[in-house]
Amino acid sequence: EPEVTQTPSHQVTQMGQEVILRCVPISNHLYFYWYRQILGQKVEFLVSFYNNEISEKSEIFDDQFSVERPDGSNFTLKIRSTKLEDSAMYFCASSGVLAGTRRETQYFGPGTRLLVL
Amino acid sequence: EDQVTQSPEALRLQEGESSSLNCSYTVSGLRGLFWYRQDPGKGPEFLFTLYSAGEEKEKERLKATLTKKESFLHITAPKPEDSATYLCAVQGPGGATNKLIFGTGTLLAVQP
Repeated sequence: EPEVTQTPSHQVTQMGQEVILRCVPISNHLYFYWYRQILGQKVEFLVSFYNNEISEKSEIFDDQFSVERPDGSNFTLKIRSTKLEDSAMYFCASSGVLAGTRRETQYFGPGTRLLVL
Repeated sequence: EDQVTQSPEALRLQEGESSSLNCSYTVSGLRGLFWYRQDPGKGPEFLFTLYSAGEEKEKERLKATLTKKESFLHITAPKPEDSATYLCAVQGPGGATNKLIFGTGTLLAVQP
């Protein structure tokens, strides 16, 4: 069964450092997303990406964040200068044209736990 | 503002004791309501999508229903392996975005 994969599973970094979180969405999906979940809180939308551009971003997704689809399979989230409050679980999700599903169903990856010290 | 409220926050059941989880929502033009299961330290695992009031979906011991204001996730004769956090999310009107708005979840513990 197709699934979204994410690397690394855990990332520890120092405040002010840059991190890149990587995702491989489900093949043939067209829409890609990043969400985050701070420990004990709800899952929050960060950004959606379609046709090689951002289609929507939340207030959380400020200039320190960027997304990229560098090739036909990977989807990345970069945080340029991490802050303590960026510590969270980051989930990648994808949706799109796949036999038996509708566009709106989003499938999530296992997440990357980011800890900023 | 679009909002999702789930209740109860936590629920403890004995194995075989059926119950329901509630998801109340306010959204301007619901395009879809989604139920996910989340195990500790893992990503949300898709369970159901409901698109219109009156719709029902079933999978093993789980059944999801939808009205114009809320959705219920009914759990029949639960087993310990059903223990998890159950998340409800809504998707608003179409356009440029497909973002999901999540509730805080219901933490379900099923004891043998």
